[in-house]
Amino acid sequence: DAMVIQNPRYQVTQFGKPVTLSCSQTLNHNVMYWYQQKSSQAPKLLFHYYDKDFNNEADTPDNFQSRRPNTSFCFLDIRSPGLGDAAMYLCATKRGRRGLSTDTQYFGPGTRLTVL
Amino acid sequence: GEDVEQSLFLSVREGDSSVINCTYTDSSSTYLYWYKQEPGAGLQLLTYIFSNMDMKQDQRLTVLLNKKDKHLSLRIADTQTGDSAIYFCAESNTDKLIFGTGTRLQVFP
Repeated sequence: DAMVIQNPRYQVTQFGKPVTLSCSQTLNHNVMYWYQQKSSQAPKLLFHYYDKDFNNEADTPDNFQSRRPNTSFCFLDIRSPGLGDAAMYLCATKRGRRGLSTDTQYFGPGTRLTVL
Repeated sequence: GEDVEQSLFLSVREGDSSVINCTYTDSSSTYLYWYKQEPGAGLQLLTYIFSNMDMKQDQRLTVLLNKKDKHLSLRIADTQTGDSAIYFCAESNTDKLIFGTGTRLQVFP
């Protein structure tokens, strides 16, 4: 009963070739997140959607874009991947309630991106 | 700014208890979490504690929170080889999580 699904699990792309990672959820959560996690490091938040509102982190490179066409799906687009973009990309969701205490984030299994 | 720190490594013998520690700086944190990450996998939520609690127990897991010292710990009783993983603590008071650096737990027979 997968709740947060990421496809593909492993993605190989070439330097500079655009790539799209996919996340879907069956939880009907209104908040979705994308994190980048490099080896032996903590996950780093790239951006998140609160419903349709896009929230970019200040230090997220312009090379990273996101789309959320509906509640269930969210995409991470890397326009021109560099060698430094090789990492695990994690999607997470949360049932957000504005103005109230936070709810738990649930993570997908991640997509490991290799850049050749 | 907010900062969450953990020791990097912990090695324990199978059957012993493990205690993983975490310190944080944001006194307005509402929830504090423990996540487990096995090699090549995503983050699995283990447990969480609300900031007005001192302790939470869930089977083999015990979370202790010292809000005055901004110290959080996770105790795993009867540690098994399947507990070998990286453990992240995280704090939140908004829609964002601030993760610690992660503690790699190694369990040896």
